[in-house]
Amino acid sequence: EIVLTQSPATLSLSPGERATLSCRASQSVSSYLAWYQQKPGQAPRLLIYDASNRATGIPARFSGSGSGTDFTLTISSLEPEDFAVYYCQQRSNWPLFGPGTKVNIK
Amino acid sequence: QVQLVESGGGVVQPGRSLRLSCAASGFTFSNYAMHWVRQAPGEGLEWVAFIWYDGSNEYYADSVKGRFTISRDNSKNTLYLQMNSLRVEDTAVYYCARGFGVPPYYFDYWGQGTLVTVSS
Repeated sequence: EIVLTQSPATLSLSPGERATLSCRASQSVSSYLAWYQQKPGQAPRLLIYDASNRATGIPARFSGSGSGTDFTLTISSLEPEDFAVYYCQQRSNWPLFGPGTKVNIK
Repeated sequence: QVQLVESGGGVVQPGRSLRLSCAASGFTFSNYAMHWVRQAPGEGLEWVAFIWYDGSNEYYADSVKGRFTISRDNSKNTLYLQMNSLRVEDTAVYYCARGFGVPPYYFDYWGQGTLVTVSS
């Protein structure tokens, strides 16, 4: 069974800074990885699919990279609305989410 | 615009049953696979169940297999989740989500969620 690990658990940054979030799979998931953003009291929102493709309407400051077991979500310059929890999700077999990274305002 | 609206949540005793509904609009429901995803209070996301666009196949997480049944009525644009033999650990916000990708195991639109609380 594939296990997803996200690091760090919490990231404290200021608006305008660059955020780098990591997701690691216990075995290869090829490029079958997505990223979601979830704000308190809201449903998740799809940001990135197949490791590097931005979903419809997602700003260009969000980018994804990686393949195999190591993936990265980068937010090039944090906007106030970007402070949220970010989950990775693999679809190599059944959908499975990572535990999440919370991006806090420093 | 795509809308998914869940209903049917509430407080239920352990061992009892509950049926959730998800009303879809703004897209051709019968063309899309659909999922249920849940989130326990303060916890992460857990995929629960999946149904193919025409209802021909269903798949479940091990944690709910044999207790939950996903179904759909394409004539009513509605997705369902029948939950039997509920346990305290089934307490969560339940989201319906539209499947995306090939196969459709990503989630591109989500409802606002409905809270299920299992407690005696």
